[in-house]
Amino acid sequence: TQLLEQSPQFLSIQEGENLTVYCNSSSVFSSLQWYRQEPGEGPVLLVTVVTGGEVKKLKRLTFQFGDARKDSSLHITAAQPGDTGLYLCAGKVNSGYALNFGKGTSLLVTP
Amino acid sequence: ETGVTQSPTHLIKTRGQQVTLRCSSQSGHNTVSWYQQALGQGPQFIFQYYREEENGRGNFPPRFSGLQFPNYSSELNVNALELDDSALYLCASSSGGRTNEKLFFGSGTQLSVL
Repeated sequence: TQLLEQSPQFLSIQEGENLTVYCNSSSVFSSLQWYRQEPGEGPVLLVTVVTGGEVKKLKRLTFQFGDARKDSSLHITAAQPGDTGLYLCAGKVNSGYALNFGKGTSLLVTP
Repeated sequence: ETGVTQSPTHLIKTRGQQVTLRCSSQSGHNTVSWYQQALGQGPQFIFQYYREEENGRGNFPPRFSGLQFPNYSSELNVNALELDDSALYLCASSSGGRTNEKLFFGSGTQLSVL
């Protein structure tokens, strides 16, 4: 059973377009993270959100944590080919040790 | 500051064999977690080691075992390999013990079981 559901699974867009990736769960998370993973590499942490309603910006990337801490979104403005990769959301339930990952959204940005 | 390194990068085994994967944690980190990432899936938590003790385990059978050494490097051992064990095995290190949430991942070991 997947604790975190990500949508869409695949996304192919052209350079300059905007996009939003969603991460949803029926569980409450003490914190939620977004990672980007490129082929042959491990995931790299982009951001951690801990407070319901929190919004964080990282250049062209905007991350939001839902008010109830059950969902999150990642919005990319003016996507570039360098944004291509697998975007994973991950969260911890309460004070657990395990980081629960979604299946990821595979993003392809073409010039 | 050295990052997380894993070895080997690729490995091919046959069903029933045993395998040992190795991980050197980032300098200053005392916590190591192992994850299994099957093709098209997100990483799944296997277990975590903090100061040489296992302090958390995911839904994996006992044939998945691990060790952490005094220098905080770690090993993942898998006995009686099955075809479904084919996956990318990721090691992640962090500092500060249980509550630290910033994980640094290695590039992984790609295991193929034939």
